[in-house]
Amino acid sequence: EVQLVESGGGLVQPGGSLRLSCAASGFTFSSYWMHWVRQAPGKGLVWVSRINSDGSSTSYADSVKGRFTISRDNAKNTLYLQMNSLRAEDTAVYYCARDIDGSYPDYWGQGTLVTVSS
Amino acid sequence: SYELTQPPSVSVSPGQTARITCSGDALPKKYAYWYQQKSGQAPVLVIYEDSKRPSGIPERFSGSSSGTMATLTISGAQVEDEADYYCYSTDSSGNHRGVFGGGTKLTVL
Repeated sequence: EVQLVESGGGLVQPGGSLRLSCAASGFTFSSYWMHWVRQAPGKGLVWVSRINSDGSSTSYADSVKGRFTISRDNAKNTLYLQMNSLRAEDTAVYYCARDIDGSYPDYWGQGTLVTVSS
Repeated sequence: SYELTQPPSVSVSPGQTARITCSGDALPKKYAYWYQQKSGQAPVLVIYEDSKRPSGIPERFSGSSSGTMATLTISGAQVEDEADYYCYSTDSSGNHRGVFGGGTKLTVL
């Protein structure tokens, strides 16, 4: 069974940093691209970032470029999102999702909540 | 930046056909994908590559695409289909940047 479990969310002050993790199981993690997608409270889904299967290629939404970094450790079956210079508008549930070849996310985790507030 | 446009809401009675549209300039060259999200839950893929249905998704869900518009059709909508629906595609930059539509709230009552 495919499982994606996000962790690392919490309350952080504006300007602060946080690192999210996504532990994968039930599939060959190193064969899949991965995404981060976020959803602010009561709002729609917003694509944040993606990384290819070996970590050699990444892309970001304009709203997070230069502040967030996506990475992965295929030996640990784990995806990461390093978030720096956090703003109130980054408050959201962050989902990780897998993608076979960069076409689309198919399975999603349950999400982790990040709250940026003083 | 690239955008996908959906109507904010669609309402149908049980048993009627619901159609949710998604428009985007790159859709003639890019596939559309559709996700269902029920309250408090993670999104679930219901249509991929414009019109294909993943295993386990009821046959009443179908998709189509023509020109700059993709459409999700739910034939004989059920009360349990009430949810938010999002289209997804990638931009034409060649860098696999994703984009979601704003979402459509489907009400079945």
